Amino acid sequence: DAGVTQSPTHLIKTRGQQVTLRCSPKSGHDTVSWYQQALGQGPQFIFQYYEEEERQRGNFPDRFSGHQFPNYSSELNVNALLLGDSALYLCASSPGLATETQYFGPGTRLLVL
Amino acid sequence: GDSVTQMEGPVTLSEEAFLTINCTYTATGYPSLFWYVQYPGEGLQLLLKATKADDKGSNKGFEATYRKETTSFHLEKGSVQVSDSAVYFCALSLNQAGTALIFGKGTTLSVSS
Repeated sequence: DAGVTQSPTHLIKTRGQQVTLRCSPKSGHDTVSWYQQALGQGPQFIFQYYEEEERQRGNFPDRFSGHQFPNYSSELNVNALLLGDSALYLCASSPGLATETQYFGPGTRLLVL
Repeated sequence: GDSVTQMEGPVTLSEEAFLTINCTYTATGYPSLFWYVQYPGEGLQLLLKATKADDKGSNKGFEATYRKETTSFHLEKGSVQVSDSAVYFCALSLNQAGTALIFGKGTTLSVSS
């Protein structure tokens, strides 16, 4: 049984560019959350998707957007990249919106130059 | 606002020593509490959780008790091993229209033989 998978593993972009990160949830999970983890810090919640809708959002600008597909996989899009967007982006899944235990993927490390 | 505060690291111990990592929280409601562990180069793994006051979570020799009166959820292990070296994150979830996790900054544990 595959766990949460994310792609790509690493990515290098320049300021002003746009990036799309992808996540496949653990089998049987229908809720996907995204987190940003800056170096040496704890993860910060970006948003959560359930039934293809954004259900909860953290304190991130509109440059951060997402999407959930009918197969429950998800994308995180970041526009107009800033140097400060360099971080590890973690995807987490859970079996239901009300289920608090989340299972994390290995993350995508984004470097913005 | 809602937040989690962890003791500053790094924590350096010898094998078989006793471990305590302090965690306190501020929350407007009645949160569930979690400890996650992040091994080098990997994503977050759930270590243990507690969903109500006085609950004790335990896993792999680690324990933490949900103390509402002191708003704490300290992580303990009686005898650490080199393989326990990792970054430990305390987190809470308020389960309000979603299950966003709020993390502390993490505590690095280094165990030497």
